[in-house]
Order: sequence, then C-alpha cells, then structure tokens
Amino acid sequence: DTGVSQNPRHKITKRGQNVTFRCDPISEHNRLYWYRQTLGQGPEFLTYFQNEAQLEKSRLLSDRFSAERPKGSFSTLEIQRTEQGDSAMYLCASSLERLGRGTEQGNTEAFFGQGTRLTVV
Amino acid sequence: DAKTTQPPSMDCAEGRAANLPCNHSTISGNEYVYWYRQIHSQGPQYIIHGLKNNETNEMASLIITEDRKSSTLILPHATLRDTAVYYCIVRAQYIIQGAQKLVFGQGTRLTINP
Repeated sequence: DTGVSQNPRHKITKRGQNVTFRCDPISEHNRLYWYRQTLGQGPEFLTYFQNEAQLEKSRLLSDRFSAERPKGSFSTLEIQRTEQGDSAMYLCASSLERLGRGTEQGNTEAFFGQGTRLTVV
Repeated sequence: DAKTTQPPSMDCAEGRAANLPCNHSTISGNEYVYWYRQIHSQGPQYIIHGLKNNETNEMASLIITEDRKSSTLILPHATLRDTAVYYCIVRAQYIIQGAQKLVFGQGTRLTINP
C-alpha cells in the first residue's frame, strides 16, 4: 500500500498521559498536514510541513501539542498531559507542491490517511 | 473559515444520479473547487477538482456555473458504497499565505438508499 499510513489506528490513554502518533506520507510528497476531527464536524487544520519545515500552526495547536518532521519524511504529533477534550480523530495528509514556473506549479490534491482515533479517559 | 455552503443532508436511490450542490459565492479568480468525501471511520478521500471548466473522472463529474459561484458534484450511478459525507472546498492553486491548507465545512451527508 503506497498511501498515507498512520499509527496507531486507535489509542486509549488516561488523562494526563503523553501520547505520540506517527504519519508516513506518500513517499515523494513534500507537504504533510495534520488535522483533528471531532464527532459530527469536518476536519480542522492543525499544522503543516513543507519538507522538514513547519510553516503554519493553527490556534488549535496549544502548547501541549508538538509536531515534528525531522527528515522531511515521516512526522510525529505528540500531545502532552492529555485532556478529555483532546479526544478526537487525528488525521494526516500529504501532497506534492510543484515548484517552478508555469501552470504546473502550486497546490495539488492532498491524500489522507485513515487517522488515529484518540480516546482520553 | 469555510467559504462554501452545502445542504446538511441528502438522500438518493441506488442506481440513480446523486447531485450534490455547493455555493461558493465569494470564490476568487485563482481558487479551485475541490471535492472530498469521508466514509464512516475513514480519512477524507479526494474526488475531483476544477477551476471553471466541467471536469469528469472515474469517480464523478463536476459542473461549475459560468459565474463560478456554485458547483454540483454528480455521482452518475450511486451505489450503497457512496454513502458518505461530501465536502466542497475552495482552495487557491498558487502558493500564497494560508492557501496551502484545506478548510473543511460541515459537508453534506449523502445517504444512498436501496
């Protein structure tokens, strides 16, 4: 399977514990996004990387959240001191930004992983 | 904030065409219309996108009005597996600040009935 892979698929943790999720994007994709989705809502943007650089962070990304993409390939999202309000589906997506000139440059479609469902008890 | 308006839910009979509308009256000239869908407990799946011409692929057709203020996603022969939440998103094609991310609204919950 050459799609976006997320691990684990499910995580149950006690309030106050730290959790880390991993995302492996499609191999040639230089952009990687993290989203959060709560029940009945559309996905909400958290942050994105261009290669290893984290270029944008949402206000939703509190100080307890940190994301990394150290080598421009896989990414991790860590939540420290989890709270019950952190319970959600965490989605990762990747895309290829074409650099250069002309009509080939710009954003392309993003491909999502299956998500990691976090339950904080 | 999402720049699109979609009906919260729709029903369609299996085998019929499902037509999902989307209003994007504030769309700007460099913004494309993207459609994604999300089947229960899965990540969103890309369907199609377009700028101003109608587009068709193996999954669906996208009809964009001439003034680009609205569009319709057409699933020509809906099956039970097309039951999902469908999201219409406008997104700039070119790299300007804040344009890289997809901004999801509530979407339309499409139910295909046997």
